[in-house]
Amino acid sequence: GAGVSQSPSNKVTEKGKDVELRCDPISGHTALYWYRQSLGQGLEFLIYFQGNSAPDKSGLPSDRFSAERTGGSVSTLTIQRTQQEDSAVYLCASSRGLADNEQFFGPGTRLTVL
Amino acid sequence: GQNIDQPTEMTATEGAIVQINCTYQTSGFNGLFWYQQHAGEAPTFLSYNVLDGLEEKGRFSSFLSRSKGYSYLLLKELQMKDSASYLCAVTVGNQGGKLIFGQGTELSVKP
Repeated sequence: GAGVSQSPSNKVTEKGKDVELRCDPISGHTALYWYRQSLGQGLEFLIYFQGNSAPDKSGLPSDRFSAERTGGSVSTLTIQRTQQEDSAVYLCASSRGLADNEQFFGPGTRLTVL
Repeated sequence: GQNIDQPTEMTATEGAIVQINCTYQTSGFNGLFWYQQHAGEAPTFLSYNVLDGLEEKGRFSSFLSRSKGYSYLLLKELQMKDSASYLCAVTVGNQGGKLIFGQGTELSVKP
């Protein structure tokens, strides 16, 4: 596609449920990043992929968060047993490679945990 | 640790010039990005500085001083559509290009 796409655009869930957020990067982009933007906060790094591997998972807030990437393309961010503090906009970005290439952001998934 | 500071809010007048400052204290600094984010939309790339000096791109310019840990984004001939949040972000060390963001500066352009 022309840009990074994410689905769903909005997700409302109940506390304790699991959610999956999907990211389709720009075709040919080898690097993929997940960020979180809470209300009134800056963007917070979660995890990045180079190809299918995730060298840096340091930003994941807890072991309830996990992510995978398959075929060097689509990535899924999974949040298990969601909590109200997980409510945020989850943004995905991709770039041609690592080493300070411009990152192109998707529109985000707005997650609301009731 | 990593710390990036920018003003929370700024207001300017249509047609004027505004400068948004960003200071950072990081280890292993690589480069600095500026992104623009309109409400409810994805951030979009504005500029990237890795060397000291001024990078000009149309109405927008970005400056970097590595020795001072300081950058600014300069917006000229302000238009109403420039009302947005401006995000300063740095990359550090061998960390795969992940962006470390400041809190963002909310710019309001008034007629």
